[in-house]
Amino acid sequence: DGGITQSPKYLFRKEGQNVTLSCEQNLNHDAMYWYRQDPGQGLRLIYYSQIVNDFQKGDIAEGYSVSREKKESFPLTVTSAQKNPTAFYLCASSIRQGGTEAFFGQGTRLTVV
Amino acid sequence: DAKTTQPTSMDCAEGRAANLPCNHSTISGNEYVYWYRQIHSQGPQYIIHGLKNNETNEMASLIITEDRKSSTLILPHATLRDTAVYYCIVRISNSGYSTLTFGKGTMLLVSP
Repeated sequence: DGGITQSPKYLFRKEGQNVTLSCEQNLNHDAMYWYRQDPGQGLRLIYYSQIVNDFQKGDIAEGYSVSREKKESFPLTVTSAQKNPTAFYLCASSIRQGGTEAFFGQGTRLTVV
Repeated sequence: DAKTTQPTSMDCAEGRAANLPCNHSTISGNEYVYWYRQIHSQGPQYIIHGLKNNETNEMASLIITEDRKSSTLILPHATLRDTAVYYCIVRISNSGYSTLTFGKGTMLLVSP
């Protein structure tokens, strides 16, 4: 089945450590996105990528980094520079053209202690 | 992208229609109205979108006013599984990689 997979679902890290969240899609979508969601809040855009080897900062990119070496994969690294990393992280993808909707993964809940 | 305004929460009895309003008074001519929902601790799910005509699919109906300044998402026969946060989003274009701007949405609680 086609879809978008995030792993792991729950992740715990010590403060000061970098951590990488995985996002893989087999929908043949060109565009991929990373969002952050805090309790009771909407989603905020961290980074997005329209094509392989290209990505742009979203509204809250500070303390995060991404790569897009393959069409299927768009990993997000939460660095030690991110002051409040504990959150629910959502990855999404969409086709480049055609006006279709975005498909979301099931999210990774990151807790930094 | 135009800003949207939605009620914070709504209640609906199971089996009844749920009508979720959204105001987008600053919408421009090339902006579409999208609806997503998010069940607790899951990723958002696309429901429906439209430009100016009313739209219907297997999940819901979307009614957009003639001036396009507001819209209503209708779940015709709400079930307990429809309890979720519903997001109304206005998107700058119909381009597939235009980013989505999520507000806080409407928390719909469907009760037995």
